[in-house]
Order: sequence, then structure tokens, then C-alpha cells
Amino acid sequence: QQQVKQSPQSLIVQKGGISIINCAYENTAFDYFPWYQQFPGKGPALLIAIRPDVSEKKEGRFTISFNKSAKQFSLHIMDSQPGDSATYFCASRPSKPSKLSFGAGTTVTVRA
Amino acid sequence: SQTIHQWPATLVQPVGSPLSLECTVEGTSNPNLYWYRQAAGRGLQLLFYSVGIGQISSEVPQNLSASRPQDRQFILSSKKLLLSDSGFYLCAWIMNTEAFFGQGTRLTVV
Repeated sequence: QQQVKQSPQSLIVQKGGISIINCAYENTAFDYFPWYQQFPGKGPALLIAIRPDVSEKKEGRFTISFNKSAKQFSLHIMDSQPGDSATYFCASRPSKPSKLSFGAGTTVTVRA
Repeated sequence: SQTIHQWPATLVQPVGSPLSLECTVEGTSNPNLYWYRQAAGRGLQLLFYSVGIGQISSEVPQNLSASRPQDRQFILSSKKLLLSDSGFYLCAWIMNTEAFFGQGTRLTVV
């Protein structure tokens, strides 16, 4: 049973546009919500993360929006660039144990 | 600094052959280690995790097994590979809140 549901499966955006990826979780014990970026043939790498005590976190062009009551969180990529083309995974975990549950991934393609 | 090594990067194996993928970490002790599999177009499926030497937890029943012979070594094995074992295998080390992934092994069973 997938504990984190991610959508869309893929998206194409023009350079300079906004990419939006959504995730929903079920376990109310989850207290950490990271996003990972994966380039082809490589392992995922942490991009940005948020805890449920804040509703938004921004790092450069990447922003996480978090809605605790709806059990949803999303990644916004502003001013998307071709170098942002990658697969993005949302994840979540409870405080204990430290297992991460991942979404199915979203392949983002930024066209120049 | 902490690093995680995983090899080989690619592997093509015939059906019925054995498998051994190795993962080692540096710069830490007693790490929590994980094996994930990423099938084409799908997310990361947790296969095994280990919180210490000889301690293995399996998340899903399957044709694979894992072992933790040393503190910083985690091995994924199979006695007889199936076609369905093909995929991208990732070793990960989760410290506090962050997961560090190896470069992955692309396994193709033919």
C-alpha cells in the first residue's frame, strides 16, 4: 500500500514557466516531508524538505507548500530551467522509525 | 565527510544466475542502511533495511535477501534471478532526517 501518492506522473513545461508537483499522504504520524531530485542513471539527492510546523519553505527557485489539514504538500519550481529536467520524488516519514515512504515520482521536462 | 559507495553500476545477468550487490558507507558508524528498487516508471520500493550488524528487516516478500556482515557494509543477494528482478537498485543511508543514496545499480536480467 502506497503511503504517499504523487501526481502528475510527468509534466512538460517551457523554460521560465512554473512546474507544480503534488503529493498526498495518509499517515498522520508523518512529520518530515522531503523532496528528492534524480537525474538519469544517478541516485536521488535531497532537494528541499519541510516539517509540518510551517506552511511554506522556499530555497531559491524551489518552494514547498504544506497543508496539514488536507495532508497534502507540493513542490513548485519557479522560472523552470532545462537543467531542472529530472525525476522528482516526494517522501515522508514518521519520527520513528526512520523509514522514508516515497511517491511514485514525477518526470519533469523543461523545454528551452 | 560521509559517503556511500555502491557497485557495480550496471549488470546484465541471465535468469537463474546468482546476484550480489554491495554497498559500503564511510564517515559514520552504526548507520541505518536501506535497499530500494526503482522499476521503470515507478517509485522507490523499500526492499530491506538494517539498523545494525546482522539485523535485517524485509519489507516485501521476494526473491532477494540482504545481509549486514559489517557495520558499514550492506549486501543485496539472490540465489536465482528472475526476469522480474530487473530494475534500478539503490542503497541508501538515512541519518536523522536526510537520506543519502548511492549511485545505483542498473540490473538487467535476460
